[in-house]
Amino acid sequence: QVHLQESGPGLVKPSETLSLTCTVSGDSVSSASYYWSWIRQPPGKGLEWIGCIYYTGSTNYNPSLKSRVTISIDTSKNQFSLRLSVTAADTAVYYCARGAKAMGVWGQGTTVTVSS
Amino acid sequence: QSALTQPPSASGSPGQSVTISCTGTSSDVGGYKYVSWYQQQPGKAPKLMLYEVTKRPSGVPDRFSGSKSGNTASLTVSGLQAEDEADYYCSSYAGSNNFVLFGGGTKLTVL
Repeated sequence: QVHLQESGPGLVKPSETLSLTCTVSGDSVSSASYYWSWIRQPPGKGLEWIGCIYYTGSTNYNPSLKSRVTISIDTSKNQFSLRLSVTAADTAVYYCARGAKAMGVWGQGTTVTVSS
Repeated sequence: QSALTQPPSASGSPGQSVTISCTGTSSDVGGYKYVSWYQQQPGKAPKLMLYEVTKRPSGVPDRFSGSKSGNTASLTVSGLQAEDEADYYCSSYAGSNNFVLFGGGTKLTVL
């Protein structure tokens, strides 16, 4: 059974960098079968796709976030990560997921609050 | 790139059918077969219900079906059950620049 788990700080100050990691079990991030995505959901709002990474390290980003986002992959740890320079508007639940065109397995999500 | 357009709400009585639309453009919904639908229960992560417009992942009831015409995709839930009450989101591949777009979500209420 495939399981994804997000981890990282729950509170980040404005203008600082949010760093989250998604640890994958039951599958390999080195698999050529899937992209690995980050998605977020502000409180009371809808889903927003942030970006994704392939095992080769190739990335695709939401154009509205591209200047502030970096997604990386660590095949030795079977993890992929998100870095985002933040403002208060980036307060949200952050999810990692397997896939991009169709996201079939999701992590439980982690709440990140941006506040001084 | 704008989000895909969904109605904010939909409703139906148990046993009835309800259809939720998802409208995009020829650069996303209309241009590719990669439309997915997700169900999100309160406080939970989204769950993939349909992919590639009409395909159901293992375990998803066949009461959930999908279709696409032009730039609009649709999710139909037949034989509504109380457990179907949730938020539903569509997504579409949008080419190499935008890659993935979500709809704004539809809150389905079972009356």
